[in-house]
Amino acid sequence: QQQVKQSPQSLIVQKGGISIINCAYENTAFDYFPWYQQFPGKGPALLIAIRPDVSEKKEGRFTISFNKSAKQFSLHIMDSQPGDSATYFCAASKDTGRRALTFGSGTRLQVQP
Amino acid sequence: GAVVSQHPSWVICKSGTSVKIECRSLDFQATTMFWYRQFPKQSLMLMATSNEGSKATYEQGVEKDKFLINHASLTLSTLTVTSAHPEDSSFYICSARDPRDSLQETQYFGPGTRLLVL
Repeated sequence: QQQVKQSPQSLIVQKGGISIINCAYENTAFDYFPWYQQFPGKGPALLIAIRPDVSEKKEGRFTISFNKSAKQFSLHIMDSQPGDSATYFCAASKDTGRRALTFGSGTRLQVQP
Repeated sequence: GAVVSQHPSWVICKSGTSVKIECRSLDFQATTMFWYRQFPKQSLMLMATSNEGSKATYEQGVEKDKFLINHASLTLSTLTVTSAHPEDSSFYICSARDPRDSLQETQYFGPGTRLLVL
């Protein structure tokens, strides 16, 4: 059972444009939703994260929008740059127990110069 | 931020041999570490949770006798792939949370270990 669904699988954006990646989750016990960036051959690095008590969080060019009733959240990358070209993963975890992360399937973003 | 390292960064071995991968938290102590496996162009799949001083917790479908995990200290967890076969070739990544983080939300990932079994 895929608990976190991510789309699109790949995305091509022009430099300066907005990149939007969407995720939907099924388990209502999830209450922590991070986004990770991964470059080829490297481990994932945390970009930004949100909890369900807020609907939006912004850090620099990166914004998470969260819709608790729809069980959806999205990552917006403003003014996309070629250096943003990477694979992005959404994830979710519960606030109890091991709090292990469940990852989405990933989105390969390519920002064209 | 907290730093997690892995060694080796890549390893090539013959089928049937065993390979040990180390995961270290460099500037913090971690009672819990996580091991993930990532196949090319796929997502990260949790294999097991490594608990300091106790047995690891394995995810459904992961063979505990094949993937041996030892968390002998608060800064080191090891994953041993026993009797490796070509289908075990993958990217293995560990992660840990920093207890100095008041909410302990963030998982910090290591750089990964690329395993190729010939």
